[in-house]
Amino acid sequence: AQSVAQPEDQVNVAEGNPLTVKCTYSVSGNPYLFWYVQYPNRGLQFLLKYITGDNLVKGSYGFEAEFNKSQTSFHLKKPSALVSDSALYFCAVRDVWYTDKLIFGTGTRLQVFP
Amino acid sequence: DTEVTQTPKHLVMGMTNKKSLKCEQHMGHRAMYWYKQKAKKPPELMFVYSYEKLSINESVPSRFSPECPNSSLLNLHLHALQPEDSALYLCASSQEQGSYNEQFFGPGTRLTVL
Repeated sequence: AQSVAQPEDQVNVAEGNPLTVKCTYSVSGNPYLFWYVQYPNRGLQFLLKYITGDNLVKGSYGFEAEFNKSQTSFHLKKPSALVSDSALYFCAVRDVWYTDKLIFGTGTRLQVFP
Repeated sequence: DTEVTQTPKHLVMGMTNKKSLKCEQHMGHRAMYWYKQKAKKPPELMFVYSYEKLSINESVPSRFSPECPNSSLLNLHLHALQPEDSALYLCASSQEQGSYNEQFFGPGTRLTVL
């Protein structure tokens, strides 16, 4: 079965420190992976995606993610966190059978403290 | 124009009411989506339209009725809803069906069913 796991409900980090939000996936074949961010009472905003090629993907607002095929992971990272990065983060993988569908993880709340 | 707009932002309705949610995009995207999101949960796919035709219905109850009048508009007609249908309803669009393109989300309509 296809799935995405975000093992941490919440991640706390001090402003200026590096942050990592974890994501692992399980799909057959090549995964198409996405990260989205959701601020309170807002829709989801696309951050970045991995389709093929370089394992390190750079996205919006200074975020990047590293695709690791052997560990089936796609962790989101940022070298220096900002208080304004505090939000809910979703990892998603495209369904291999119904390619319009995104399979979302349960989300990780990132809290950046001043 | 790189945004998806949704109206209304908030909607309160009784169980016997009929109302509609509206979504619009002017990015030339050919795939449009309706999602339902409960608090602190990932979005759940409801419907997908591709080239103005319904391509995915995720076994959604018939009290939700989607409509795609043209390539820029997507409606969700609501009738005889239940209190458990209260949620944030998100619309999204993407360039093509079945591709690896990211989805662009609107800000959502916060629906409360009394």
